[in-house]
Amino acid sequence: GAVVSQHPSWVICKSGTSVKIECRSLDFQATTMFWYRQFPKQSLMLMATSNEGSKATYEQGVEKDKFLINHASLTLSTLTVTSAHPEDSSFYICSAREVAGGHPHEQYFGPGTRLTVT
Amino acid sequence: GENVEQHPSTLSVQEGDSAVIKCTYSDSASNYFPWYKQELGKRPQLIIDIRSNVGEKKDQRIAVTLNKTAKHFSLHITETQPEDSAVYFCAAKTGANNLFFGTGTRLTVIP
Repeated sequence: GAVVSQHPSWVICKSGTSVKIECRSLDFQATTMFWYRQFPKQSLMLMATSNEGSKATYEQGVEKDKFLINHASLTLSTLTVTSAHPEDSSFYICSAREVAGGHPHEQYFGPGTRLTVT
Repeated sequence: GENVEQHPSTLSVQEGDSAVIKCTYSDSASNYFPWYKQELGKRPQLIIDIRSNVGEKKDQRIAVTLNKTAKHFSLHITETQPEDSAVYFCAAKTGANNLFFGTGTRLTVIP
């Protein structure tokens, strides 16, 4: 149980284009989903927290107009990188927390999406 | 907000030896401390966690200790094996807040 998927697993796009990454909780409902960014050999940096049906809360320094987050249902959140630039190239990982039951603290991580902007 | 520091950043041990990774946190209200193992290009996997009402927890070769007074917690891996090689992250959470991650420790177990 508690499986989180991400799609795509990797994507290459040209500078200036937009890319959408999906995060799904497959066997549970998630009140909250988190989006992290991870540079090579570095830690996970929280970008934003999204709650189903409400606007995402962005961490300081993260541009909300560049990284659009939509949490339309209890099983799906999307991250859209708009007008991507090479410096946006990174490993993006989502995680989800269950609505009820399960471990109240635990976050279940997706497998990550490697974005390369050329 | 919470600030989590992790040491060392890299650690090499001989197979069969023990490995210890230490973390400190700043927010005394933090009450949940998980440890994650991340292999290259893969998702972080929870390996063990501890809540603030417990001082120590063990799961086979892995143990975690928590000192609330000093605000630090440690991961102990005994009888290390090559497959233990990975990056390990500690984290701390306060109530319903987000997880704050340490900077990671790259563990290499030398056969």
